[in-house]
Amino acid sequence: GAGVSQSPSNKVTEKGKDVELRCDPISGHTALYWYRQSLGQGLEFLIYFQGNSAPDKSGLPSDRFSAERTGGSVSTLTIQRTQQEDSAVYLCASQGVGETQYFGPGTRLLVL
Amino acid sequence: DQQVKQNSPSLSVQEGRISILNCDYTNSMFDYFLWYKKYPAEGPTFLISISSIKDKNEDGRFTVFLNKSAKHLSLHIVPSQPGDSAVYFCAARLPSGTYKYIFGTGTRLKVLA
Repeated sequence: GAGVSQSPSNKVTEKGKDVELRCDPISGHTALYWYRQSLGQGLEFLIYFQGNSAPDKSGLPSDRFSAERTGGSVSTLTIQRTQQEDSAVYLCASQGVGETQYFGPGTRLLVL
Repeated sequence: DQQVKQNSPSLSVQEGRISILNCDYTNSMFDYFLWYKKYPAEGPTFLISISSIKDKNEDGRFTVFLNKSAKHLSLHIVPSQPGDSAVYFCAARLPSGTYKYIFGTGTRLKVLA
């Protein structure tokens, strides 16, 4: 498909475990964003990748969160030692030329 | 500190009538504004945008108005259709260093048939 894909679509984990969330952006898009949407909240910016530049990590809520983007394409968001407050929908968006972001369907994370 | 605010969490409108969704912001440095629509279990999809140098942009049934002096933008949908029922997010771009987008908390629109 031509859209942004994310996996897994749903993830249930136990408190203290590590999780990895994957994002496959639209081919050729140089910018990639990760957002988090907690229940009843808006989209909270987490991290931004642009080409080969150093990522903007200013939105990561703690050092338990990290992300990487390999080969300028696929991105992985890792949450270590998950906490119940990490439960949210994690959305990835890619962006090419222009201001429009294209979002994936999200990963729904539930930490028990 | 919520830089982009959507103060109405929900809105119900009769089919065929106008839907007006509002968004207020505090940062005068925002240079671009966008509206996204989100259906359940899907990611947001782009709807319409406006540059800060404009005051109106129209695309079919959708029009966005920007009032910079009031730091307010609105999305008008005319006529409203049941398929428009979704959560609408406004977003603003901050052009400092990397492009960062600040999203509002969303307004759930329900169009009644």
